[in-house]
Amino acid sequence: NAGVTQTPKFQVLKTGQSMTLQCAQDMNHEYMSWYRQDPGMGLRLIHYSVGAGITDQGEVPNGYNVSRSTTEDFPLRLLSAAPSQTSVYFCASSYPGVETQYFGPGTRLLVL
Amino acid sequence: DAKTTQPTSMDCAEGRAANLPCNHSTISGNEYVYWYRQIHSQGPQYIIHGLKNNETNEMASLIITEDRKSSTLILPHATLRDTAVYYCIVRVNQAGTALIFGKGTTLSVSS
Repeated sequence: NAGVTQTPKFQVLKTGQSMTLQCAQDMNHEYMSWYRQDPGMGLRLIHYSVGAGITDQGEVPNGYNVSRSTTEDFPLRLLSAAPSQTSVYFCASSYPGVETQYFGPGTRLLVL
Repeated sequence: DAKTTQPTSMDCAEGRAANLPCNHSTISGNEYVYWYRQIHSQGPQYIIHGLKNNETNEMASLIITEDRKSSTLILPHATLRDTAVYYCIVRVNQAGTALIFGKGTTLSVSS
């Protein structure tokens, strides 16, 4: 199993640009989530999904969209990038009711 | 979810046991104690979790006090690769709820 994979590893955007961060898992996990981590801070939940077709907002959802059309994929879309969205983004997945989450390697995003 | 308090940083000599404390005095009866760690620039890694009994796995041991108001994560023989930020999280074991990461404890293992 590849586990949780994220692409790209690094990305530089200009203010106002849009992009999609990809997340995929091959463990048949129903629960997937997106976190962001700013320097010296803990992780904050952006959006999560408890299954295909079901998504919900986390602590810091503004400026981000998600969709879950398949169990395997959970892309995160930045609608109009802002410098405040410069961060490291982590995707995670788990079985429902078994809350040991598996995290991807992260995407480092810089918005100029 | 209950709030946790952890020391900002700790040091440990390689080969010795690392004991990382966590206070969670407002923990509810249905909340578990989870430990994750984050090695520099990597995604967080699950270590262990428990409700009220002590737990042990291949990575670590978790000791929870009888009143459940505090716990200790024990790495029995710390190595340089255990240098990381360790997060203590208390939460209900329910799908769809977030892991709330605080600032954790930075453990530095030196030779």
